[in-house]
Amino acid sequence: AQKVTQAQTEISVVEKEDVTLDCVYETRDTTYYLFWYKQPPSGELVFLIRRNSFDEQNEISGRYSWNFQKSTSSFNFTITASQVVDSAVYFCALSVYSGAGSYQLTFGKGTKLSVIP
Amino acid sequence: EAGVTQFPSHSVIEKGQTVTLRCDPISGHDNLYWYRRVMGKEIKFLLHFVKESKQDESGMPNNRFLAERTGGTYSTLKVQPAELEDSGVYFCASSQVVAGKQYFGPGTRLTVT
Repeated sequence: AQKVTQAQTEISVVEKEDVTLDCVYETRDTTYYLFWYKQPPSGELVFLIRRNSFDEQNEISGRYSWNFQKSTSSFNFTITASQVVDSAVYFCALSVYSGAGSYQLTFGKGTKLSVIP
Repeated sequence: EAGVTQFPSHSVIEKGQTVTLRCDPISGHDNLYWYRRVMGKEIKFLLHFVKESKQDESGMPNNRFLAERTGGTYSTLKVQPAELEDSGVYFCASSQVVAGKQYFGPGTRLTVT
């Protein structure tokens, strides 16, 4: 069975601080995909990134960066110089082949980030 | 390009009533997924359509839930009869390919009283 753990339930930072959101996953599959989604107060889930299990290169997109480490089964997300608009709930998710022709997402419980001006 | 849309955004019904949720995926996306998040829990997978066929419905909680995707375009999720534990947010997502990025709609908040 698959599992995603986001140990941080809520984080508060002051604007311009850096913040890292942790994500630890469990799976026995060797092929899998990892995702991060942002859920702003409006409620929709906004896609941020998708990585496959064979690509451990870290990725940077503007103020966002992701650190994928298979050795520790972690896929952490860092926001540099946080802004108030970054306030949201962030979900980490894992996707593996379900055996029924599907790649369903398994989500963590989410981390609520509050950026204080 | 329009994103995934869901209707209604919020529904309040009494226990025992029927509710139908609708999802319109991104045009051209053959894959459509339903997920739900009940209060305090993780977002959980319900089922996956490829075009009009149910590819994986392993997450459907019981036979009070019926999902359809006639013609392979929009999908409906009917709950009949609704129970208190069905309250939560129901999300729909779509993707071009099976293992691809899943784009989510804004969700339908269902409250059963």
